[in-house]
Amino acid sequence: DAGVIQSPRHEVTEMGQEVTLRCKPISGHDYLFWYRQTMMRGLELLIYFNNNVPIDDSGMPEDRFSAKMPNASFSTLKIQPSEPRDSAVYFCASSFVGAGNTEAFFGQGTRLTVV
Amino acid sequence: RKEVEQDPGPFNVPEGATVAFNCTYSNSASQSFFWYRQDCRKEPKLLMSVYSSGNEDGRFTAQLNRASQYISLLIRDSKLSDSATYLCVVNGARGGGYNKLIFGAGTRLAVHP
Repeated sequence: DAGVIQSPRHEVTEMGQEVTLRCKPISGHDYLFWYRQTMMRGLELLIYFNNNVPIDDSGMPEDRFSAKMPNASFSTLKIQPSEPRDSAVYFCASSFVGAGNTEAFFGQGTRLTVV
Repeated sequence: RKEVEQDPGPFNVPEGATVAFNCTYSNSASQSFFWYRQDCRKEPKLLMSVYSSGNEDGRFTAQLNRASQYISLLIRDSKLSDSATYLCVVNGARGGGYNKLIFGAGTRLAVHP
């Protein structure tokens, strides 16, 4: 398996623009997570899905952030409008609960810079 | 109070040293605990799960104290390749829910020759 695939790897955008981050989880995994990592705040859970359904979005910082999972193989995280304080590395991760295995596998991340 | 707290370090140790990291968590209902490792500019990867009775994987030993809500990681005979950030991870779901993995901010380890 290719692992969790995120795109783009790097994104530089101007303040006010819409940004869309994409994630393809590992085939067969039933949980998908979006995290944001900064030096100041570490790794923060933004939202997670189970079987394509959002379970907990309490970590989404504000209404400018939205996430969707239209099917088992694709998810997006959208920021509209973007602000400089959104600059961070955004990670997508997936896991499979079956047989008690709870390991989360991470993608390589999207490094977002908002100028 | 953060849900998972760790000493950020850095811990600077010579090769061959033994080093211990600690972590505390606030959700007493948490059922699953892990240590992840993150190399510079890379994604986090699972190092080991932490079981109630404590567990060992080669040079790495993990311990859990549920009464104190405390997790530890011991690394023996440190190698240069152990240099990384170590993340304490707790299943923070409430009400018995399964999979809300909450990460600590990480403890940075630097092993020098």
